[in-house]
Amino acid sequence: GAVVSQHPSWVICKSGTSVKIECRSLDFQATTMFWYRQFPKQSLMLMATSNEGSKATYEQGVEKDKFLINHASLTLSTLTVTSAHPEDSSFYICSVGQGRYEQYFGPGTRLTVT
Amino acid sequence: AQTVTQSQPEMSVQEAETVTLSCTYDTSESNYYLFWYKQPPSRQMILVIRQEAYKQQNATENRFSVNFQKAAKSFSLKISDSQLGDTAMYFCAFMKGGATNKLIFGTGTLLAVQP
Repeated sequence: GAVVSQHPSWVICKSGTSVKIECRSLDFQATTMFWYRQFPKQSLMLMATSNEGSKATYEQGVEKDKFLINHASLTLSTLTVTSAHPEDSSFYICSVGQGRYEQYFGPGTRLTVT
Repeated sequence: AQTVTQSQPEMSVQEAETVTLSCTYDTSESNYYLFWYKQPPSRQMILVIRQEAYKQQNATENRFSVNFQKAAKSFSLKISDSQLGDTAMYFCAFMKGGATNKLIFGTGTLLAVQP
């Protein structure tokens, strides 16, 4: 299966600043990547589907201007949280879709906004 | 819209015993897949087992097996010979067929295996 990495694993930023999270598919060319958000002791909530070379598809209720997604290559998707606030503090997980139903997850990024 | 429900927020089992985690789902789709994922304290999502809806036979993976009741829209996970390393959050998930790869997760069940 695909090996997926995320960078950074943990980031602390000040309120009002922007932070970028990278998701890389190390051994597979991914046309589709997914971004999830997970609050403590809660489930994963799909935020958006990242499509290589085109605009991301956001789930209902997710602010596209707040969470900017760029999938510029077959191995890299980035999530930028713009003008971050404490309520954006969460665990962000990306995954790579492969075949009919396979999905491989990155290790996640913990974002803390102070 | 599809929904996935896990009615057991927490469960506990003794080492070497058997435990069953419940999951129900709601969909009007005929082609879909069901999954159980494990999220240990490291928070890395790990696929435990997968069931394709068109298959009547229940999937098994070593100590893990499912009871797939399509008419009842039920998909429970049985863990046999529980081990301390099985301690984790377990998520049931639904994926519509058609290569969308979009997963819809249940709320999760926190399983604690006691020595």
